[in-house]
Amino acid sequence: SQQGEEDPQALSIQEGENATMNCSYKTSINNLQWYRQNSGRGLVHLILIRSNEREKHSGRLRVTLDTSKKSSSLLITASRAADTASYFCATALYNQGGKLIFGQGTELSVKP
Amino acid sequence: EAGVTQSPTHLIKTRGQQATLRCSPISGHTSVYWYQQALGLGLQFLLWYDEGEERNRGNFPPRFSGRQFPNYSSELNVNALELEDSALYLCASSPRQGAYEQYFGPGTRLTVT
Repeated sequence: SQQGEEDPQALSIQEGENATMNCSYKTSINNLQWYRQNSGRGLVHLILIRSNEREKHSGRLRVTLDTSKKSSSLLITASRAADTASYFCATALYNQGGKLIFGQGTELSVKP
Repeated sequence: EAGVTQSPTHLIKTRGQQATLRCSPISGHTSVYWYQQALGLGLQFLLWYDEGEERNRGNFPPRFSGRQFPNYSSELNVNALELEDSALYLCASSPRQGAYEQYFGPGTRLTVT
């Protein structure tokens, strides 16, 4: 079964609005990562947040991590049509090396 | 810097045949990962290689196997293909062992008829 569950499964917003995606997981993690996938192609790494971090920023992206609730959120501010893609959270567990366990993803559609 | 490359882009095979997928990591990266993205099943971890050794394996049958060559490129072999093996197979690399960000290739779309 998947470690990460994402919510919502699909999100449709207008350009300029903010998009928030949530991810929950089941077991203790080493870190949590967010990836973007355009149209069934390869994944692009967006941001990595370690288990001892609570918040991280990268450009228009803001990620939070709450290890007590085993959840994370990805906020994309001032969205653009080019942000249209599927977004996945992935968890890296302790003693599993680089193995990533992916959530089912959130499909984001940004309308111009 | 060249990214992760995968070949072929598309592969069509018949049930029972064997498929071989190839991956070249980013120069300097020693770890290679394989994932399967099948419709309805999401992204699932298949295999992890580092320094020529298999380090971890996902919940897949033994007919999924692979290897890593001295130049760190990797090959994924799927024997006795089944219809449900149809999926996008993604390869990723990272610069060293451990839980770091991974850089993905464009994938190989395998279709089993």
